[in-house]
Amino acid sequence: QQQVKQSPQSLIVQKGGISIINCAYENTAFDYFPWYQQFPGKGPALLIAIRPDVSEKKEGRFTISFNKSAKQFSLHIMDSQPGDSATYFCAAIIFGAAGNKLTFGGGTRVLVKP
Amino acid sequence: EPEVTQTPSHQVTQMGQEVILRCVPISNHLYFYWYRQILGQKVEFLVSFYNNEISEKSEIFDDQFSVERPDGSNFTLKIRSTKLEDSAMYFCASSPGLVIAQFFGPGTRLTVL
Repeated sequence: QQQVKQSPQSLIVQKGGISIINCAYENTAFDYFPWYQQFPGKGPALLIAIRPDVSEKKEGRFTISFNKSAKQFSLHIMDSQPGDSATYFCAAIIFGAAGNKLTFGGGTRVLVKP
Repeated sequence: EPEVTQTPSHQVTQMGQEVILRCVPISNHLYFYWYRQILGQKVEFLVSFYNNEISEKSEIFDDQFSVERPDGSNFTLKIRSTKLEDSAMYFCASSPGLVIAQFFGPGTRLTVL
């Protein structure tokens, strides 16, 4: 199965709070797990990514937690800011010799209230 | 900072008509992709393109779809005979190599009436 399932569909958090988005996958052949951030009118942009042999990756206020045995991973946005309001997509990559294929989750719309 | 650009931003067409969606990937990128997002649904892979040929395509990418890199800068997606269900946002993406990051354009919203 190539699916990546993402929850919740939407999330409202107060400024300074923690946003948590969860994803689950089935295909153990996925090679990497990125998160993309999308603002209105823009295409998705890579935010942070993790390898499946690493349990946590942190970049600034964004942290990915990865549980390989459970086939789940999550994005934590610490100290959420109004500028973080966007749609977040988890994804999984299969590396190919002539191109990498991204499989996206359904997206989570995050609204950070001031 | 270099960006992927797409034109038009919005295209309205009649069912059965041909449309060409245009993309200018980031210069010196080698791998090119098309994705689509039907309203309210997830972003779906359509096709990847490398060295002037399709490297992989999804089951969505049937005979009605084709891609082309007609010159050194443009990358196009053609839908020969549009259907109502082709209405979606179409994203072009490119990457400099087999790296994690794919750089997405802002998308073309296609509306088929």
